[in-house]
Amino acid sequence: DAGVIQSPRHEVTEMGQEVTLRCKPISGHDYLFWYRQTMMRGLELLIYFNNNVPIDDSGMPEDRFSAKMPNASFSTLKIQPSEPRDSAVYFCASRSAVGNSPLHFGNGTRLTVT
Amino acid sequence: AQKVTQAQTEISVVEKEDVTLDCVYETRDTTYYLFWYKQPPSGELVFLIRRNSFDEQNEISGRYSWNFQKSTSSFNFTITASQVVDSAVYFCALSEVVAGANNLFFGTGTRLTVIP
Repeated sequence: DAGVIQSPRHEVTEMGQEVTLRCKPISGHDYLFWYRQTMMRGLELLIYFNNNVPIDDSGMPEDRFSAKMPNASFSTLKIQPSEPRDSAVYFCASRSAVGNSPLHFGNGTRLTVT
Repeated sequence: AQKVTQAQTEISVVEKEDVTLDCVYETRDTTYYLFWYKQPPSGELVFLIRRNSFDEQNEISGRYSWNFQKSTSSFNFTITASQVVDSAVYFCALSEVVAGANNLFFGTGTRLTVIP
């Protein structure tokens, strides 16, 4: 049973470039989350979707960040233009709608913006 | 205000010692869920346990055990006979079941190092 799949695992880009992170949630999961992990701020929720609809994007840092979920099996997090302070590990997670089932996280994408 | 406090930033123990990781949470909700996640050096976040606010029974799973005490708002995690493979960062998290809310508030984590 495949878990949450994220790509790429590592991304190194130059300031000003567009970055797209990808996520495939666990099949059947209705909720999808994007988290960012940094040393300074720990794990922060950026946005989450329910049935492909964005529900809460209050954690998205600024307009340079956008997220989409065109279908139940795919989501993207885009940063345009990227800045060095965006360097972090970005996690995607999904869970089912049953009760308050736990989040299942992907392996993360380590983003470095130089 | 910090919803989840993990006061221990780093802990080192010698293999086979027992270790307890502390977690104190803050919420006004009567219904909530508590979680522990493990983040090994490889970086992924691994779910360990979920506990709802109505179930104060302690739980044991192999060498892992959890002590949930609502009176002190704590959800502590004990590893018995620690092993080198237990070395990781451990996160406690809180989910509040408020209408429409669906966030998991993480503590800052405790880095556990088990020395062989």
